[in-house]
Amino acid sequence: QVQLQESGPGLVKPSETLSLTCTVSGGSISSYYWNWIRQPAGKGLEWIGRIYTSGSTNYNPSLKSRVTMSVDTSKNQFSLKLTSVTAADTAVYYCARDRIREATNTWFDPWGQGTRVTVSS
Amino acid sequence: DIVMTQSPDSLAVSLGERATINCKSSQSVLYSSNNKNYLAWYQQKPGQPPKVLIYWASTRESGVPDRFSGSGSGTDFTLTISSLQAEDVAVYYCQQYYTTLMYTFGQGTKLEIK
Repeated sequence: QVQLQESGPGLVKPSETLSLTCTVSGGSISSYYWNWIRQPAGKGLEWIGRIYTSGSTNYNPSLKSRVTMSVDTSKNQFSLKLTSVTAADTAVYYCARDRIREATNTWFDPWGQGTRVTVSS
Repeated sequence: DIVMTQSPDSLAVSLGERATINCKSSQSVLYSSNNKNYLAWYQQKPGQPPKVLIYWASTRESGVPDRFSGSGSGTDFTLTISSLQAEDVAVYYCQQYYTTLMYTFGQGTKLEIK
């Protein structure tokens, strides 16, 4: 059973870069799309973007200028970098897999447990 | 972007009664080539990640109780819980995966016990 685990700093200073990694266990990272989704406290879900194991990406247009995703198949990990963060980027960040292998449009399953990131000086 | 709008924002239902949550998309999420609606429903309990309940608008995920059902097509969708149980208290989200340019979620519906 595939499991995802987010990791990274819980506190980031304004204007700096948020960096998170999602480690995939119990299965291969290959041939799937891998997503980042965030949720500010008490609010709804926002899709940040996704990466395929080839390195192909799709980003939320509202975040595109600040987002970079990468994948390391040798480590079964993928990563998120979000530059020039502000308090508005404070949220729980989830990683999630597209459900169907080698498909372009599917729902998210499974999800990681999420990691809380606070942007504050 | 495809905007997903849920109604109501919150809902209180008595145990054993029916709960109905609606989701409307700003454009159709029905893909004509395969006649599938690219719409999923998730349940999120406090401190937990979302869990998929329904995909393709009406296909129940394995292990999800059959009191949960999804219906609708095109732009209008419904999640129904036929007989509310205490463990169903959660926030429910719809999500379109029709366009990979921008996956979007509804704003969520908070379901409570009356």
